[in-house]
Amino acid sequence: EAAVTQSPRNKVTVTGGNVTLSCRQTNSHNYMYWYRQDTGHGLRLIHYSYGAGNLQIGDVPDGYKATRTTQEDFFLLLELASPSQTSLYFCASRGGDYAEQFFGPGTRLTVL
Amino acid sequence: GDSVTQTEGQVALSEEDFLTIHCNYSASGYPALFWYVQYPGEGPQFLFRASRDKEKGSSRGFEATYNKEATSFHLQKASVQESDSAVYYCALSGTGGYKVVFGSGTRLLVSP
Repeated sequence: EAAVTQSPRNKVTVTGGNVTLSCRQTNSHNYMYWYRQDTGHGLRLIHYSYGAGNLQIGDVPDGYKATRTTQEDFFLLLELASPSQTSLYFCASRGGDYAEQFFGPGTRLTVL
Repeated sequence: GDSVTQTEGQVALSEEDFLTIHCNYSASGYPALFWYVQYPGEGPQFLFRASRDKEKGSSRGFEATYNKEATSFHLQKASVQESDSAVYYCALSGTGGYKVVFGSGTRLLVSP
């Protein structure tokens, strides 16, 4: 069974704060993804990567940076958090172009 | 760019009713199409996929047929149960790429 873990599971920060969300997959998958989930918008793609050191821009990248340090680890960085970034964040991994994604349990971020 | 449209934000049914959730897509070539299900407090889970015209995907009594002419991949189930209550997402992976785009999701509520 493919495994994707995220940390922290919950995070509260203030406007202007610095936040790092972590994702690790133990599936040896090449592809990893960061999404945000908001009511009425579903899952929106922030950034994605096809391997260590690679980064691709998603559909809603503004205010977010990401880094893929190893095949297993993918980080999402909010350097100046804003209340509009309050959301539920999901990480996912995927083994190939037509393969399914495996999602982590999510991180709920609140920016006050 | 590629996109997925789910027209129903919420569907309310009674047990044993027939379910249809509509999914239309916009993409060039032959994207892979997916359905995912999300239960409260969890990340989305893969339900099934189809990758060529007229192919039927199915799982757990749910099914959908890839229709390239209509650019559709509608989810159906003959007889829903209360345990099917969840949010359902249609998604696509574009030809030759690893970007995955989701629709806005449809919340299914099944009453006993």
